[in-house]
Amino acid sequence: DVKVTQSSRYLVKRTGEKVFLECVQDMDHENMFWYRQDPGLGLRLIYFSYDVKMKEKGDIPEGYSVSREKKERFSLILESASTNQTSMYLCASSPRSGGAQYFGPGTRLTVL
Amino acid sequence: AQSVTQPDIHITVSEGASLELRCNYSYGATPYLFWYVQSPGQGLQLLLKYFSGDTLVQGIKGFEAEFKRSQSSFNLRKPSVHWSDAAEYFCAVGVLDTGKLIFGQGTTLQVKP
Repeated sequence: DVKVTQSSRYLVKRTGEKVFLECVQDMDHENMFWYRQDPGLGLRLIYFSYDVKMKEKGDIPEGYSVSREKKERFSLILESASTNQTSMYLCASSPRSGGAQYFGPGTRLTVL
Repeated sequence: AQSVTQPDIHITVSEGASLELRCNYSYGATPYLFWYVQSPGQGLQLLLKYFSGDTLVQGIKGFEAEFKRSQSSFNLRKPSVHWSDAAEYFCAVGVLDTGKLIFGQGTTLQVKP
């Protein structure tokens, strides 16, 4: 079975802090994705990556950056957290273009 | 433009009753189609997928979906709902050559005892 893990299930941070969300997949997938999910807004793509050291902006990249130094790991970085970044963050991976994405359990981030 | 529409935001069914969740898509080519389920506070779990071939697709947990090209639909069905099926369900279409998925807004299923 595909396994996608996220470093924290719940996280509480202060405004202005730098926040790292880590995602690891164990199936040698090329593609990895970061989404945020908010009530009434559905899933919105923040960033994605096709390969190591490659990244592409999604629909809402502002205020976020990403890092992919190893194939299995994709990190989402909030350089200076703000209260409007309080959300559920979901990581996913997929084996090829157009294939099914497999999701991690999510990180619920609260920024105070 | 590519899009996915789930017309029903919220559906309530009685335990043991049949279920159909609707999904309509707009996509220029033959689509890759998916259904996911999300329990509260959890990530999304893949229920089933359609890439090509037989238009009736079987998934996990007793779910199935039927691809109807003429109606641009991919409705999810289950013959007898269990209380544990209460969750949010998402339909998605895969964008070829990008790896991206376009998700519908989701349908929340409530199951009455």
